[in-house]
Amino acid sequence: GNSVTQMEGPVTLSEEAFLTINCTYTATGYPSLFWYVQYPGEGLQLLLKATKADDKGSNKGFEATYRKETTSFHLEKGSVQVSDSAVYFCALWSRTGNQFYFGTGTSLTVIP
Amino acid sequence: GAGVSQSPSNKVTEKGKDVELRCDPISGHTALYWYRQSLGQGLEFLIYFQGNSAPDKSGLPSDRFSAERTGGSVSTLTIQRTQQEDSAVYLCASSLGASGRQDTQYFGPGTRLTVL
Repeated sequence: GNSVTQMEGPVTLSEEAFLTINCTYTATGYPSLFWYVQYPGEGLQLLLKATKADDKGSNKGFEATYRKETTSFHLEKGSVQVSDSAVYFCALWSRTGNQFYFGTGTSLTVIP
Repeated sequence: GAGVSQSPSNKVTEKGKDVELRCDPISGHTALYWYRQSLGQGLEFLIYFQGNSAPDKSGLPSDRFSAERTGGSVSTLTIQRTQQEDSAVYLCASSLGASGRQDTQYFGPGTRLTVL
């Protein structure tokens, strides 16, 4: 079957710290992988995506690389800001399942 | 507005009552999704509408749940005879639909349902 597992939160970091949020997946076929972000009081929005192995998605200083060999899509940012405080969701889209599968979300709080 | 809107933002109801949740998608988006997020769980797919095609209801957890989309725009998710396990945040999303279900989805802020 298809599923996404992401690290549990909450995560609290100081401003300018390095961020990693782990995400691993199980899928049949070759899924597309996504990170969505939900800022306080707002709806989920797409942060970045990668559609095939070894692709790197990037946006707003965040990066994630599609690793087929480790079935992972870890989210990283070199220097977080207070404004990055949000809940981050890893997701995959499976052609065989023809739907999105989301992780449970990881809450990030960045303190000044 | 520019984004997906949902109403109400919060709903508290008594067990056994019916509730209706509303979603206004982005204008021009032909695809519409409903998800449920229970405490500590990921988003759970409920139902998918695409244009005038028959909806994919495969994610609806029971026959107490139903949804309709009138005129290809606004959608209503109805839960009959609510149970405490229905308590969750219900999220609506829409997408252009041009590339099928892998199109980028735009989410509303959700409706938090609490069943007492």
